[in-house]
Amino acid sequence: AQSVTQLDSQVPVFEEAPVELRCNYSSSVSVYLFWYVQYPNQGLQLLLKYLSGSTLVKGINGFEAEFNKSQTSFHLRKPSVHISDTAEYFCAVSDPNPGRRALTFGSGTRLQVQP
Amino acid sequence: EPEVTQTPSHQVTQMGQEVILRCVPISNHLYFYWYRQILGQKVEFLVSFYNNEISEKSEIFDDQFSVERPDGSNFTLKIRSTKLEDSAMYFCASSGGTGSYEQYFGPGTRLTVT
Repeated sequence: AQSVTQLDSQVPVFEEAPVELRCNYSSSVSVYLFWYVQYPNQGLQLLLKYLSGSTLVKGINGFEAEFNKSQTSFHLRKPSVHISDTAEYFCAVSDPNPGRRALTFGSGTRLQVQP
Repeated sequence: EPEVTQTPSHQVTQMGQEVILRCVPISNHLYFYWYRQILGQKVEFLVSFYNNEISEKSEIFDDQFSVERPDGSNFTLKIRSTKLEDSAMYFCASSGGTGSYEQYFGPGTRLTVT
């Protein structure tokens, strides 16, 4: 079984400051990793993914994440946030087996960007 | 840009009634999913569907739930006899072929059971 822990339920940050949203996972097999963003009253939008290869992955809107196998982490970072980044961010994992693609989500981190 | 659509955006029903939530996945996608998010809780996987059959389902997806792809474009989730605890946001998602793992989500249907 897989699980995802997002340690921070809320992260307040000032505009143009850097931010890191933490994600740790637990799995007995290798995993694929994802970050999704949910803006108010909208669905989930894929920010970035890690399937294999380089452990540093870049996504949309200037976000990046680094896969750390030894620490079972996949933290999301952005060097300078904007007011428009205010949203809920979800980390998710899935099994690489094509027949078992269900996403297991963390509980989410609410990023609040203040002017 | 192609997107997943869901109807209705909000459904209110009485306990014990049947509801059907509808989704139109991205047209060339082959895998389809339903997830739900109870207010204040995690997004939870319900079921995945591929090649006209269920490929995976969670413990939540019991006999009161069913899915169907009645034609080439729609994907539906039916709840036979709704309970108060079925109140949640239901998200449909789709993904492409065998090598494509990104799931694209619709905007969700908020189901309220009274």
